[in-house]
Amino acid sequence: QTVVTQEPSFSVSPGGTVTLTCGLNSGSVSTSHYSSWYQRTPGQAPRTLIYNTNTRSSGVPDRFSGSIVENKAALTITGAQADDDSDYYCLLHMPSGIWVFGGGTKLTVL
Amino acid sequence: QLQLQESGPRLLKPSETLSVTCTVSGGSIISSGYYWGWIRQPPGKGLEWIGNVYYTGITYYSPSLESRVTISVDTAKNQFSLRLTSVTAADTADYYCARLNHAWHFDYWGQGTLVTVSS
Repeated sequence: QTVVTQEPSFSVSPGGTVTLTCGLNSGSVSTSHYSSWYQRTPGQAPRTLIYNTNTRSSGVPDRFSGSIVENKAALTITGAQADDDSDYYCLLHMPSGIWVFGGGTKLTVL
Repeated sequence: QLQLQESGPRLLKPSETLSVTCTVSGGSIISSGYYWGWIRQPPGKGLEWIGNVYYTGITYYSPSLESRVTISVDTAKNQFSLRLTSVTAADTADYYCARLNHAWHFDYWGQGTLVTVSS
């Protein structure tokens, strides 16, 4: 069974930098997994932040960036703001054609 | 502007079949290269991908749900639908439909519909 792992929670100070990661129990994450990152705000549909590993979605502030770090997909927020306090989910595409979400990271900005 | 809207019964009893339809407006479901997907989020839990369908009827399903799930497309009505059999309380969730675009991410989402399974 494919399991995508994320840190359950993370905390960052306003103005600080944080990197959330997205790993795969069966091996390394690469660009062929087309990793994407979604911000989940209560009462709203998920919002795409990053897709295809490192492409920022239209309208997303440039403080959000995506990459591969130590065989994991990564979402970095540089200069965190109060309204970044949210849940973040990564999504990976598997060679079999299926998609798997990570368990999500609850980011607290304080 | 593309819009997606879920519709269907909100309350089910255990063992019943969940049926939710997504109506696409502002664009055609017969668009080359786009898949249409279903995602759910149980209360207090994370997002879960259920499956995708192409307008030709090609489908991909989550292995954990594959035995109970069917996703179909009605090109004449510009809709696609989710059917989940033998529901239990664990299937209580917000159900979202979304478009998977050429860049392999879900770019347009419906507002979601809460389906509750309770006796």
